[in-house]
Amino acid sequence: EVQLVQSGAEVKKPGESLKISCKGSGYSFTSYWIGWVRQMPGKGLEWMGIIYPGDSDTRYSPSFQGQVTISADKSISTAYLQWSSLKASDTAMYYCVSGVGASFDYWGQGTLVTVSS
Amino acid sequence: QSALTQPASVSGSPGQSITISCTGTSSDVGSYNLVSWYQQHPGKAPKLMIYEVSKRPSGVSNRFSGSKSGNTASLTISGLQAEDEADYYCCSYAGSSTSWVFGGGTKLTVL
Repeated sequence: EVQLVQSGAEVKKPGESLKISCKGSGYSFTSYWIGWVRQMPGKGLEWMGIIYPGDSDTRYSPSFQGQVTISADKSISTAYLQWSSLKASDTAMYYCVSGVGASFDYWGQGTLVTVSS
Repeated sequence: QSALTQPASVSGSPGQSITISCTGTSSDVGSYNLVSWYQQHPGKAPKLMIYEVSKRPSGVSNRFSGSKSGNTASLTISGLQAEDEADYYCCSYAGSSTSWVFGGGTKLTVL
């Protein structure tokens, strides 16, 4: 059974850095791509970017290019989403997602990031 | 890139059928048969319901079906049940530079 398990909720101050994680299990980690989806409070889903763990090829939504960094460590089947300087507007639930084709077949449980002074 | 356009809300009575539309452009929905639909209950992660326009993942009820015409995709739920009450999102592949774009979401109320 494919599972994506995300790291726990975070509370940070504006300007701080953060790296959240998503560990895949139940499948060959390098065979599926892994992506990230943002959901701001009370709002819809936004695709942020994906990485192919096999070769670390990474693509970003134009809306998130330069704002976040997506990476992966295939030795521990884990993908990451990181910020160098958080803003209050980064407050949201972040989901990692995975699939083989062009759909988000599998979803993590979500990581709630709260940025507040 | 702009989000795909969905109605903000739809409603129906138990046993009825409803259809949710998802309108994009010739750069996304119109160019690729790669539209997917997701169901999200409050406080839960989304769940894949339809992929590649009309295919159902294993375990998804055959009451859910998808279609596409031109730049508009549609999700139809037949025999509405109380458990279908949720938010529904469409998503389309939009090429290698943009990759994916979501719709704004539709809240389904089962009366």
